[in-house]
Amino acid sequence: QVQLQESGPGLVKPSETLSLTCTVSGGSISGYYWSWIRQPPGKGLEWIGYIYYSGSTNYNPSLKSRVTISVDTSKNQFSLRLSSVTAADTAVYYCARANPDYGDFDDYWGQGTLVTVSS
Amino acid sequence: DIQLTQSPSFLSASVGDRVTVTCRASQGISSHLAWYQQKPGKAPKLLIYAASTLQSGVPSRFSGSGSGTEFTLTISSLQPEDFATYYCQQLNTYPPTFGGGTKVEI
Repeated sequence: QVQLQESGPGLVKPSETLSLTCTVSGGSISGYYWSWIRQPPGKGLEWIGYIYYSGSTNYNPSLKSRVTISVDTSKNQFSLRLSSVTAADTAVYYCARANPDYGDFDDYWGQGTLVTVSS
Repeated sequence: DIQLTQSPSFLSASVGDRVTVTCRASQGISSHLAWYQQKPGKAPKLLIYAASTLQSGVPSRFSGSGSGTEFTLTISSLQPEDFATYYCQQLNTYPPTFGGGTKVEI
């Protein structure tokens, strides 16, 4: 059973960089796209971007100038960095696996981690 | 970006009811649409992909239909565990976008 687990600081100061890591267990990171999605408290879902295990990426244009997603296949991990954060970036951040068997939709998700941007 | 508009935003129903949720796309997305179920404090769960294909393990009371710009999610007989928020998502055109959600309440 594939499991994903987000980790990182729960509190980030305005203008600083949010950094999260997703650790994949129960399966290999190879062969799949890996996504980051966020959800502000009480609101809907926003796709941030994805990375293929080989390293190619695709970002949401609304965040592209501030986002970097990277992968470490040796550790079965991928990471998110979001720079110059503001209160609008306060959200639950999810990592997920995009499965080509399911049309590249996300079939496994982490439990999510709340990141609050505040001084 | 492609806008997905879900209706209704809130739905009050009873156990055993047949429930239908609609998702309309701002432009054609073929059948590149999925439905997710999200319960409070939990991650979304993939129910249906390719507009009408049930993900493995999802009860058969869930079904999806549509193509192009109009899609529906139907729950044939609502069960207590189905009370949740449902989201549609399109992957036809990047960036992927989600609908605003439909909360199904008792």
